Amino acid sequence: DAGVIQSPRHEVTEMGQEVTLRCKPISGHNSLFWYRQTMMRGLELLIYFNNNVPIDDSGMPEDRFSAKMPNASFSTLKIQPSEPRDSAVYFCASSGDRGSNEQYFGPGTRLTVT
Amino acid sequence: AQSVTQPDIHITVSEGASLELRCNYSYGATPYLFWYVQSPGQGLQLLLKYFSGDTLVQGIKGFEAEFKRSQSSFNLRKPSVHWSDAAEYFCAVGNGGATNKLIFGTGTLLAVQP
Repeated sequence: DAGVIQSPRHEVTEMGQEVTLRCKPISGHNSLFWYRQTMMRGLELLIYFNNNVPIDDSGMPEDRFSAKMPNASFSTLKIQPSEPRDSAVYFCASSGDRGSNEQYFGPGTRLTVT
Repeated sequence: AQSVTQPDIHITVSEGASLELRCNYSYGATPYLFWYVQSPGQGLQLLLKYFSGDTLVQGIKGFEAEFKRSQSSFNLRKPSVHWSDAAEYFCAVGNGGATNKLIFGTGTLLAVQP
């Protein structure tokens, strides 16, 4: 299996621009998680999906952030408009066995907003 | 509510020395416990996990961890550290729920001296 795939690996954009991060979970996994990691705040859970349905988005920092999972093999995290404080590494993780809690992480997308 | 505490933010050990990273959790029932490792510029990789049974679990890269219910701890150990073990280590707890959500600790950054 290719593991969790994230694209792009690096993104540099200017303040005010729209940013879309993409994730392909491991085939057969039914839970998907979006995290943000910064030096100041550590690893934060933004939102997670179960069977393509958003379960908890309480970690999404502002209305500028939105996430979708149109099917079992694809998810997006969108920031519109982006701000310099959104600069971080964004990770996607997926989990398969119902109740195992075992998550597999992608390599992350390093976002820099100038 | 579940929580995870990693009391050591930063640890330095000499190559070849033994290592123990501390993790304490708060959870009412038997937790699902995990250790992840993050090398610089990489995503989180699962080192080992505990669900039930033998309280001493073995993981990849020569790591082991011991679940101690009386101390609410799940400390990570390695008898002889290699320079390549320098990384950040995260402890996490889950409740076995169908959503597979994990609560992560703040991480311990391990430096290895030659």
